[in-house]
Amino acid sequence: DGGITQSPKYLFRKEGQNVTLSCEQNLNHDAMYWYRQDPGQGLRLIYYSQIVNDFQKGDIAEGYSVSREKKESFPLTVTSAQKNPTAFYLCASSINTATYEQYFGPGTRLTVT
Amino acid sequence: SQQGEEDPQALSIQEGENATMNCSYKTSINNLQWYRQNSGRGLVHLILIRSNEREKHSGRLRVTLDTSKKSSSLLITASRAADTASYFCATPVARSNDYKLSFGAGTTVTVRA
Repeated sequence: DGGITQSPKYLFRKEGQNVTLSCEQNLNHDAMYWYRQDPGQGLRLIYYSQIVNDFQKGDIAEGYSVSREKKESFPLTVTSAQKNPTAFYLCASSINTATYEQYFGPGTRLTVT
Repeated sequence: SQQGEEDPQALSIQEGENATMNCSYKTSINNLQWYRQNSGRGLVHLILIRSNEREKHSGRLRVTLDTSKKSSSLLITASRAADTASYFCATPVARSNDYKLSFGAGTTVTVRA
């Protein structure tokens, strides 16, 4: 059963704490992406990775960090430096570049109080 | 800034009616993609239309692309309650050595029974 999994579905954290969101895919895709979605808005790109051990900043990378040690996994850490971390986070993958269609995980809703 | 913008922002129709939404974009593209998002879920890829295509069908979905007007439309025929969702257009936008997928803010479609 191929696809992208994100965990957990809901995450609650206190302000000042770092938190790591998990994203795993078994589609054998090279490229993976993290997006942030705020209510009533479209998706904004946080980070992306075209290949293992390589990743690039997206449009809103400040306060976030990622790693890509395995092809299947692309975890996102929301650090305490992110000023407004409460949002819906979506992970996606595609065969290689963003010119191809992307497959999305179910999302993680992060609430920081 | 967003590459694509959907219109209208929201649409309410009766079951069985057709729903049409439009997407305008700013720069030249090699393809345009439409995605659906059910409330609180990840996005699902619907259709990819290439720049040399004018129309594409998938089941009850019909997508048109007019590159001279930099616009696309998504038509859902014979709508069902299950079509209630947000619909996003997305276009690959060139970055330094790759593309990023730029999403609009979406059209929220409500299908009334």
